[in-house]
Amino acid sequence: QKEVEQNSGPLSVPEGAIASLNCTYSDRGSQSFFWYRQYSGKSPELIMSIYSNGDKEDGRFTAQLNKASQYVSLLIRDSQPSDSATYLCAVGDRGSTLGRLYFGRGTQLTVWP
Amino acid sequence: DGGITQSPKYLFRKEGQNVTLSCEQNLNHDAMYWYRQDPGQGLRLIYYSQIVNDFQKGDIAEGYSVSREKKESFPLTVTSAQKNPTAFYLCASTKTVNTGELFFGEGSRLTVL
Repeated sequence: QKEVEQNSGPLSVPEGAIASLNCTYSDRGSQSFFWYRQYSGKSPELIMSIYSNGDKEDGRFTAQLNKASQYVSLLIRDSQPSDSATYLCAVGDRGSTLGRLYFGRGTQLTVWP
Repeated sequence: DGGITQSPKYLFRKEGQNVTLSCEQNLNHDAMYWYRQDPGQGLRLIYYSQIVNDFQKGDIAEGYSVSREKKESFPLTVTSAQKNPTAFYLCASTKTVNTGELFFGEGSRLTVL
């Protein structure tokens, strides 16, 4: 069983601050990494995917990947109350052709005005 | 609009009863998945299917069954053999077989009375 670990939180930041969410994974051969956002009582939605070492930016979101350290993070700049949700880290199964993912337990983020 | 439709949204079941959760997609996606989510837990894979008439067990398939008779449909049956079925069930699909960029339905919340 492949492990995906996230800091349990909850994480609370003021509006306008940078929120930093972290994730580590056990399978060194993993090649694909994803961040999903899940509002309370709703289904997850994909917000970022990253496949290569380094940073990937999309609006206020930046995903960072370091395969040597088996570490992936998500930064949310200028955090807004609407960013309050649980963020799920997911790692693709090495060698799988089916898009099978392993999910962490999620980090609950609260952005207060 | 394209998407994934799950029904029912809420379902109550007595112990010993089988129930079937519906999942229909009109995204023309090839691969479909069933995940289970428990409070404070990540998503765990129950079953997945790459093509019609073919499906594979995930990590927690015991007590569940599926069928894939049509590309658009992937129903999940929770049988009486599933010892702790109360959970939030999520159906998802992917555009290609090599992506972890899942699109999720709204989920079905099953409660055993």
